[in-house]
Amino acid sequence: EVQLVESGGGLVQPGGSLRLSCTASGFPFSNYWMSWVRQAPGKGLECMANINQDGSEKYYVGSAKGRFTISRDNSKNTLYLQMNSLRAEDTAVYYCAKDRRVLVADGAFDIWGQGTMVTVSS
Amino acid sequence: DIQMTQSPSSLSASVGDRVTITCRASQTISNYLNWYQQKPGKAPKLLIYAASTLESGVPSTFSGSGSGTDFTLTISSLQPEDFATYYCQQSYNSRTFGPGTKVDVK
Repeated sequence: EVQLVESGGGLVQPGGSLRLSCTASGFPFSNYWMSWVRQAPGKGLECMANINQDGSEKYYVGSAKGRFTISRDNSKNTLYLQMNSLRAEDTAVYYCAKDRRVLVADGAFDIWGQGTMVTVSS
Repeated sequence: DIQMTQSPSSLSASVGDRVTITCRASQTISNYLNWYQQKPGKAPKLLIYAASTLESGVPSTFSGSGSGTDFTLTISSLQPEDFATYYCQQSYNSRTFGPGTKVDVK
């Protein structure tokens, strides 16, 4: 079964850090672009970062630049999101998502994890 | 940055109704437009990619059209399981989602 499972969410104080993980199974992880998408409570979807197959290309939305780092370990079939200098407005469910197309991404996300909740509060 | 808008933001409909949701991009995105369905507490589900291609396993009651800046998602006959929020997403330059359209019961 093709699956993505996120972990690492939780409660963190403003200014703190958190590292999210997303473990993939059931497909050749190293062949696909991967992304992190978040959803604040009651709000829409926002693609925070994406990474190519070997990690040599990374892209971030403006609010993530300089604070968040996306990475991957293909030997462990795992995607990461290191989040630093967290703010209350980063409170959201964070999903990892797989690009639909092998090798050359088209930006459509066909597989999503169940999400992990990050709460930034004192 | 490419901005996405959707209309309406919400609509009320009945089972069997034909439903149309519109998505507009702030600049041309060719056909790099995808549609997702999301139900409360669940991850989004890909319905349509490349503006008009139905994802495997998605019912044929869903269809998409458009290119350039204007796109449409149509549900030809609304089913009980179709009450949800629908998002468009551009993947021409980075990835940006529209604000969503909530479809609820009339």
